[in-house]
Amino acid sequence: RKEVEQDPGPFNVPEGATVAFNCTYSNSASQSFFWYRQDCRKEPKLLMSVYSSGNEDGRFTAQLNRASQYISLLIRDSKLSDSATYLCVVKGYSSASKIIFGSGTRLSIRP
Amino acid sequence: DTAVSQTPKYLVTQMGNDKSIKCEQNLGHDTMYWYKQDSKKFLKIMFSYNNKELIINETVPNRFSPKSPDKAHLNLHINSLELGDSAVYFCASSQVTARETTYNEQFFGPGTRLTVL
Repeated sequence: RKEVEQDPGPFNVPEGATVAFNCTYSNSASQSFFWYRQDCRKEPKLLMSVYSSGNEDGRFTAQLNRASQYISLLIRDSKLSDSATYLCVVKGYSSASKIIFGSGTRLSIRP
Repeated sequence: DTAVSQTPKYLVTQMGNDKSIKCEQNLGHDTMYWYKQDSKKFLKIMFSYNNKELIINETVPNRFSPKSPDKAHLNLHINSLELGDSAVYFCASSQVTARETTYNEQFFGPGTRLTVL
């Protein structure tokens, strides 16, 4: 089993739709979780951290389910500019812990 | 005033050559990283340096040697390049204080697209 797994997609949804995708992780000792966004041929950029209690940033909602070992990202009222690859990131407790990126989920918003 | 910069942006070279990629960050961060993103877009950490000291060294061939002359720079030297080394190499930096173990946002450079012929 991969340490961090994501559905590669692509998710192809119409503008204005709500879309959600998950990321599962195998190490129960993982402590920090994040979603990054990567546009085509660009560098990844932090979208949001994922807190235990769940958190929301505008149209984006991230949640953590420790029992089932997954994090999720929900995008409401999707925009054309949301088209990108979304990378899940998982890290352990210490500063020397591995930082593991998922392989990403491709999202394409159509007009 | 780019936060994390890498040079060169594109690198095309023959198998067997030795090449270097440079990275500089002006964010005052204490930790820098090298990642490799292959053709399947899988981003994998190679090295991490904290205050010029190696703290993460994933399983990469010893043909890859990082060098950190100071906190703001982390260069990657690759010897005897192979076809499989073709990928995009990203440098990143973050502030990870010694007392805190939480992961802070990583800022990535624009990437260096390496093609080995």
